[in-house]
Amino acid sequence: QITLKESGPTLVKPTQTLTLTCTFSGFSLSTSGVAVGWIRQPPGKALEWLSLIYWDDDKRYSPSLKSRLTITKDTSKNQVVLKMTNMDPVDTATYYCAHAIVGEYSYIWNRFDPWGQGTLVTVSS
Amino acid sequence: QSVLTQPPSASGTPGQRVTISCSGSSSNIGTRTVNWYQQLPGTAPKLLVYSDDQRPSGVPDRFSGSKSGTSASLAISGLQSEDEAEYYCATWDDSLNGLVFGGGTRLNVL
Repeated sequence: QITLKESGPTLVKPTQTLTLTCTFSGFSLSTSGVAVGWIRQPPGKALEWLSLIYWDDDKRYSPSLKSRLTITKDTSKNQVVLKMTNMDPVDTATYYCAHAIVGEYSYIWNRFDPWGQGTLVTVSS
Repeated sequence: QSVLTQPPSASGTPGQRVTISCSGSSSNIGTRTVNWYQQLPGTAPKLLVYSDDQRPSGVPDRFSGSKSGTSASLAISGLQSEDEAEYYCATWDDSLNGLVFGGGTRLNVL
């Protein structure tokens, strides 16, 4: 059974850097065709994809947020970390991590399944 | 403004069949496969359909996906009260080199 859980601060101040950790079990991020993604959802709004890290450490970022995001993995700890710099109140959202199936040779994302429960991050001074 | 366009709301009565559309372009739906996610109030999204029309194990066959050209659809037959949720389509966009979600459709079961 695959499970994921997000952890990190619930409140950050504007201009600070947000660090979120996704701790997972039930799969290995060293297996071909496996990735972990981050998605966020502002209150009452739609889902927005942030980043994806592949089994071979390849990475993809949302074009609109690329300059602010860094994704890393620690395969031995079964963790993926997302850092987002220069936080602003508009970044207030529930942040989800999710297990992803991707093309082993094409690297094209196929699906997120399952998702973590999410963690609400509020940006306020 | 989402890259993928969904109607903001849909509704139906118990037992009815409803369809939710997702409109994209040649760089996303026209080229890549589509997923559908169900998000019940206060919970994380759950995968309903992947690769346009495939259901993960455990998803009832009342849910079905289809695609034609640059549009995709999610059909829900035998509507039940527990189907009341937000539904999102998603796919990869080759032009953006990133994953895109639709704006979501709120399904109300009357």
